[in-house]
This record gives sequence, C-alpha cells and structure tokens, in this order.
Amino acid sequence: DVVMTQSPLSLPVTLGQPASISCRSSQNLVDTNGNTLLSWFQQRPGQSPRRLIYKIADRDSGVPDRFSGSGSGTDFTLKISRVEADDVGVYYCMQGTHWPWTFGQGTKVEIK
Amino acid sequence: EMQLVESGGGLVQPGGSLRLSCAASGFTFSYYWMSWVRQAPGKGLEWVANINQDGSETYHVDSVKGRFTISRDNAESSLNLELNSLRAEDTAVYYCARAEAPGTVDHWGQGTLVIVSS
Repeated sequence: DVVMTQSPLSLPVTLGQPASISCRSSQNLVDTNGNTLLSWFQQRPGQSPRRLIYKIADRDSGVPDRFSGSGSGTDFTLKISRVEADDVGVYYCMQGTHWPWTFGQGTKVEIK
Repeated sequence: EMQLVESGGGLVQPGGSLRLSCAASGFTFSYYWMSWVRQAPGKGLEWVANINQDGSETYHVDSVKGRFTISRDNAESSLNLELNSLRAEDTAVYYCARAEAPGTVDHWGQGTLVIVSS
C-alpha cells in the first residue's frame, strides 16, 4: 500500500500568518493518464471531512483562495496564506492513484 | 442540494453483523462511483471500499476483505455496506462519500457510528 506521510502532525499558527503542510507518498502518484490524484481534506472539529483541493492544485468551489496546493510525483504541499480562526481543524492528504486509496495521518492546525 | 445520509450504525457484539445504508439525493446517483471511509474515535481516516456505477466492480481494503461487502441500489439511490464478523477494531464512524472523479471523493455524509463491544 502507498504510505502517505504528513508533517508536521501539529501546527500552531498565529492568526493572519501563513501555514504549510507537507505530504510525501511512498510511490509516485502519477496515473496512467498522466494525472496526479492527490487531494487535500479539511475536517473541522465535530464535522465530516470537506475536500479543499484535488489533482494537486485544483481548488473546490467555495474554498477560499487562501488555500493552495502544489507539488509533483511524491512531494506535495498545502499552504494557507493567512490563517483564520475558521481554519482550525485536521488536514489530510489522500492519494487515489493506487488501490487501496490511502490518507496521511492528519495535521492538526490550531491557533497559538 | 446534494445530500448523503447514512444510517444503520449502533452497538454490536464482537462477531456480530450490521448493515449500513446511505441515502443519496440531489444528484444522479447512478452516474458516480461511491465510497465508504471510516474513522476510529480520535484517529485518522481510512478508506474502506469503493463501488463503480453499476455495481460490477468493487474494491475493499485488505483489513475488511471477506467480512465487509459494498453494494448499491441505483433504483433507490442507496449505497450499502454489509459488515460481518465484526471486531473491536472496526469501531468507527463510517462515512459515505461520492467519488465525482477518478481517485477522489468530493461530498461526504455526516457519518454513522458503529461500536463493537461486549
């Protein structure tokens, strides 16, 4: 199975400051069509996960442009340009290129 | 508005069975792959199973193979997960999710809690 490794696992951030989460996969995530099936999800406390980003960098409708995804191959990053109170929660990367789909361990974002 | 509503969770003894359902509305259910993802209390997310549009292809994670079965009823816009031979480590919130494109899910239900305990 593809192992997804996130860092850091805990991220205290000052309001208005940037935040960055790294996600590394144990295998290349480019599929046979040349697409890289890497998504990012946000899970606020007590809520279901919500997708933010798919195919590395495509932002879902309604997701603020403060969120951006980047990377290639096996190394990926989620950036929040200016953290707001609403961004508190756990963030997961997920690969859908190889069966079984696998998630990272999650990164908990909290306000300092 | 698109909705996924899970049901069927509850307390079950080790070795027991449950059937989870997910009622879909607000989109053409038969057009999409569907998934089950679970989350143990205080833990991360684990993909459980996928099913294609007509139910002819299914995939299950190794830890549930032979015990869990994903299925669907397109006429009823319903996704199901049959859970057998349940173990304590199967205790989790089970989410239904829509796979709107290859390799990803876009919408999630609110989840249904399964507790396996004697």
